[in-house]
Amino acid sequence: GAGVSQSPSNKVTEKGKDVELRCDPISGHTALYWYRQSLGQGLEFLIYFQGNSAPDKSGLPSDRFSAERTGGSVSTLTIQRTQQEDSAVYLCASSLRFGTYEQYFGPGTRLTVT
Amino acid sequence: QKEVEQDPGPLSVPEGAIVSLNCTYSNSAFQYFMWYRQYSRKGPELLMYTYSSGNKEDGRFTAQVDKSSKYISLFIRDSQPSDSATYLCAMSARAGGTSYGKLTFGQGTILTVHP
Repeated sequence: GAGVSQSPSNKVTEKGKDVELRCDPISGHTALYWYRQSLGQGLEFLIYFQGNSAPDKSGLPSDRFSAERTGGSVSTLTIQRTQQEDSAVYLCASSLRFGTYEQYFGPGTRLTVT
Repeated sequence: QKEVEQDPGPLSVPEGAIVSLNCTYSNSAFQYFMWYRQYSRKGPELLMYTYSSGNKEDGRFTAQVDKSSKYISLFIRDSQPSDSATYLCAMSARAGGTSYGKLTFGQGTILTVHP
């Protein structure tokens, strides 16, 4: 079946603009996760969803970051007033249920802020 | 100090060599230990999973966990050029802990296996 998909695959934006990153999880997966991978860094956990609810938003780097999930499926990560330090690959993963060790990752969105 | 430390390498070995990849960690709540493989411009994919201490073997891959030393390893036998990728260790805590359900990743080790 289809894996996790993310769009766009690449995004170049000017500093100060808002961007929206989209994630389509595997059908039937109730848990969804967002990570950020910067050059030379490991994956940094941002936020997770159980269904449409995000119980813990403490991983979001600043209040410019927000995320939502609708219908227990698609999720959008929004970054407002982008800064150059936001440049990274944003990865989305899903799992059958929250707490399952096996998370399936999408290919990521490569964000470049100029 | 990061919760999970991993030598970023890069590591370059000849085909057929045995590769040893390692991570150390500081959070004693970690109970689940994983190794992910990430090819260039792709998302990570789960390679091995181990619960608590012990060894697990899957084909050419062996994962070891030593909780007393807070040290995990991944061994690759008879390495192939197709094994060239970044290898990321990841850990998760038991239910009820603040890290439960979240994966904490190491920085990743870049491995190149040359023919």
